[in-house]
Amino acid sequence: DIQMTQSLSSLSAYVGDRVTITCRASQTISSYLNWYQKKPGKAPKLLIYAASSLQGGVPSRFSGSGSGTDFTLTISSLQPEDFATYYCQQSYSTPYTFGQGTKLEIK
Amino acid sequence: EVQLVESGGGLVQPGGSLRLSCAVSGFTFSNFGMNWVRQAPGKGLEWVSYIGSSSSSTYYADSVKGRFTISRDNAKNSLYLQMNSLRDEDTSVYYCARRNSGWHELDYWGQGTLVTVSS
Repeated sequence: DIQMTQSLSSLSAYVGDRVTITCRASQTISSYLNWYQKKPGKAPKLLIYAASSLQGGVPSRFSGSGSGTDFTLTISSLQPEDFATYYCQQSYSTPYTFGQGTKLEIK
Repeated sequence: EVQLVESGGGLVQPGGSLRLSCAVSGFTFSNFGMNWVRQAPGKGLEWVSYIGSSSSSTYYADSVKGRFTISRDNAKNSLYLQMNSLRDEDTSVYYCARRNSGWHELDYWGQGTLVTVSS
C-alpha cells in the first residue's frame, strides 16, 4: 500500500499569510495526487486534483504542485474561511490512501 | 445539480450489521465508479471501498475486508455498503463519493451518515 505523509499535523497562521502544506508519498504516484478541505460537520471538498489542477469553483488563491513523491498545497493569502483541515490523497492505486491531515489554525 | 445523499446510519451493537445507502442524482450514475470514505471522531479521513461503474471491480481497505460489501444498483441510482461484524472502531461518519474518470479524484461527496458501534 502507498503511504501518504503530511509533515505537519497542525499549522498556525494569520489572515493574509501565504501558507504551504506538504505531502509525501511512499512511492511514486505520478500526478495522481488530490487535496481536500475538511471543516467540522461538512463533507470534504475537492480543491486540487492531478497535483496542480484547480477544481471548478475553488478560489485561485489555492494552488498545487509536485509530481512523483513530493507535493505541496499553497494558499497565497489566507482568508478567514480557509481555516480548516487539509488532506492529501493518492488516487494512483487502491487503497486510495489519505494523509493524516494538516489542521490550519488562526494565529 | 449533483447530489449524493447517504442514509442508514445509526446505533448498532458490536457484532451487528448495518446497510448504508447513497442515493445519487444530477449525473449519469452508471458512468462513474463510486467510493465510501469514513472519518472516526477526532480522526482523519479513511478510504473504505470502491466499486466500478458496472460493478465488475470492487476494492476494500484491509480494515474492512471480509466484513463490508460494496454494491450498486444503476437502475435505482444507488450505492450501498453492507457492514457486518461491526466493531467499536468502525464508529465513524461514512461518506459516499464519486470518482472522476480522469485522475480518479473524488469530486462529489455526500453529507455523511453517522454509524455508532457501541453496547
